[in-house]
Amino acid sequence: QQQVKQSPQSLIVQKGGISIINCAYENTAFDYFPWYQQFPGKGPALLIAIRPDVSEKKEGRFTISFNKSAKQFSLHIMDSQPGDSATYFCAARVETGANNLFFGTGTRLTVIP
Amino acid sequence: NAGVTQTPKFRVLKTGQSMTLLCAQDMNHEYMYWYRQDPGMGLRLIHYSVGEGTTAKGEVPDGYNVSRLKKQNFLLGLESAAPSQTSVYFCASSPDFLTSPGELFFGEGSRLTVL
Repeated sequence: QQQVKQSPQSLIVQKGGISIINCAYENTAFDYFPWYQQFPGKGPALLIAIRPDVSEKKEGRFTISFNKSAKQFSLHIMDSQPGDSATYFCAARVETGANNLFFGTGTRLTVIP
Repeated sequence: NAGVTQTPKFRVLKTGQSMTLLCAQDMNHEYMYWYRQDPGMGLRLIHYSVGEGTTAKGEVPDGYNVSRLKKQNFLLGLESAAPSQTSVYFCASSPDFLTSPGELFFGEGSRLTVL
């Protein structure tokens, strides 16, 4: 049973466009919501993260929107670039003190020039 | 800094064989993790450790064992490999859950094929 549901599975966006990836969860014990970026042949790397008491966080072209009542959060990539082509994972941390993360199934983003 | 280093990077096993994956981190992190990554499944936590000498089960621990004898090393063992364990395995480390909430530092992965 997937604790964090992610969509879409794949996404193709034109250069300069907006990429949007959505995630949903049910477990109210989650207390932190990071997004990871993974390039082929590499391990995932933290991109941006948000706490559930914040509705939006922006870092450069990357923005997380968080809707606590709906138990949904999303990643927006503004002005998408070919270098953003990668697989993106949303995740949720359980508040057990071990920094354990449950990951979504991933979204493969392709930005075409 | 090397960060998190996994060895080997590739391995092919026959069903029933055993092997150990080694993870080493040079960041003096307290927490270490083993995840497996499968197409359409994302990353799933196998086992984790919150300090030297400690281990705990994650989401999918069956068929795996781990040991953390030294703070910088975390070993993942397969006693009797099965085709269902064909996957890419990632080791990760984290300083603690307060300093860097939700931030794990991953290695580059170990691709295991079980025939």
